[in-house]
Formats: sequence, C-alpha cells, structure tokens
Amino acid sequence: DQQVKQNSPSLSVQEGRISILNCDYTNSMFDYFLWYKKYPAEGPTFLISISSIKDKNEDGRFTVFLNKSAKHLSLHIVPSQPGDSAVYFCAASAYGQNFVFGPGTRLSVLP
Amino acid sequence: DSGVTQTPKHLITATGQRVTLRCSPRSGDLSVYWYQQSLDQGLQFLIHYYNGEERAKGNILERFSAQQFPDLHSELNLSSLELGDSALYFCASSVDRAGTGELFFGEGSRLTVL
Repeated sequence: DQQVKQNSPSLSVQEGRISILNCDYTNSMFDYFLWYKKYPAEGPTFLISISSIKDKNEDGRFTVFLNKSAKHLSLHIVPSQPGDSAVYFCAASAYGQNFVFGPGTRLSVLP
Repeated sequence: DSGVTQTPKHLITATGQRVTLRCSPRSGDLSVYWYQQSLDQGLQFLIHYYNGEERAKGNILERFSAQQFPDLHSELNLSSLELGDSALYFCASSVDRAGTGELFFGEGSRLTVL
C-alpha cells in the first residue's frame, strides 16, 4: 500500500517554462511534507517543506502548494533551468513518525 | 556536502555473503536512518536509530540488522545476500527524533550481488 504517490515517473519541460511535479497521499494523519532533489550518484538533498497549517510555501524559484482536502501537493519550479534536471521525491510524515517517500519523478529540463 | 559520510561507496559481492555498510552522521545529529533504493524505486525506509536506541523499523528483512554506536555512527549488516538485495543504500541523519525536521542524506552505498 503506497501512502505517497507520484504518478508521473518522468516529466520534460522546456527551459524557462514552469515545471509542475505532483504528489498525492492517502494518510490523513500526514502533517509535514518535504521535497527532495536527487542527482545521479548523489544522495537526495532537501529542497523545500510545508506543514499542514499552510497551503503554500515559497523559496526562490520553488513553490510548494498543499491541498489538504484533496490530499495533494505540488512543486512548482519557475523558471525551469537545465540544472533542475534531477529526480524529485515527495516525502510525508505524521508527527513523531518517520518520513514516507514517494517513488520519485524524473524531471528533464530541455535547453 | 551534506556532512553524512557513507562507506563503502561501491561493493560487489556474491549471493550468500555478508556485508556491512557504515554511516557517520552529521556532527550533532542524534538520529540515523537507513533507506533502500532499488532500481527505479523510491526510498524504502528500513530502520531508524536515535541516540543509540532503535526507534522504528520499516520494511527491513530479518537477514538485515543495524545498530548505532556510542559515537553515533551506525552500521547496517546485510547477510545471506540474495540477488534482489542489489540496491543503493542511503543513510540519513537529523538532529531530532522523527518526523519534524529535515533529513540529510549521504551519497549512498551501491551494493551489487552477483
């Protein structure tokens, strides 16, 4: 039973355009969400987070939106750059519990 | 550089063998987590230690075991290896107990079982 789903295994976007990566979850107890980025041969690195008391969090070109009623969050990257090409993991946790990761979405930003 | 160190980076071994993966967390972090990433799969949580004590177990096989030592480094022991154990094994650390903060990941140990 996959509690965190990223239904798009891959996504291609033109440089300068918006990238939208989606994540759905099933556990209504999840109250903290993170996005990680992973380059080949490297470990995942933290990108941005959002807690359930917010519906939006912004950090530079990266914005995460949370829709609790739909159990859905999305990561927007504007404008997309070739260096953003990586695998993006969505992760969720309930207070005091460990993070559950989604399967990842491979983003390719085309020059 | 996340500050989390994992060794070895690469390991090739045969079925039935036993290996040990090592992780040194970031300075000051008390929590160590182990994750497994098989080909094109997400990060599967294996086990979590906080300050030397096991806090949570995930999808960890009985053939696998881990511990966290007094100096806070951790080891993941994989025994009676099977072909399906080939994967990237990541260690992550955080300052808190669980679920409330950012995880910092090492570069991973790539295990190949032949």
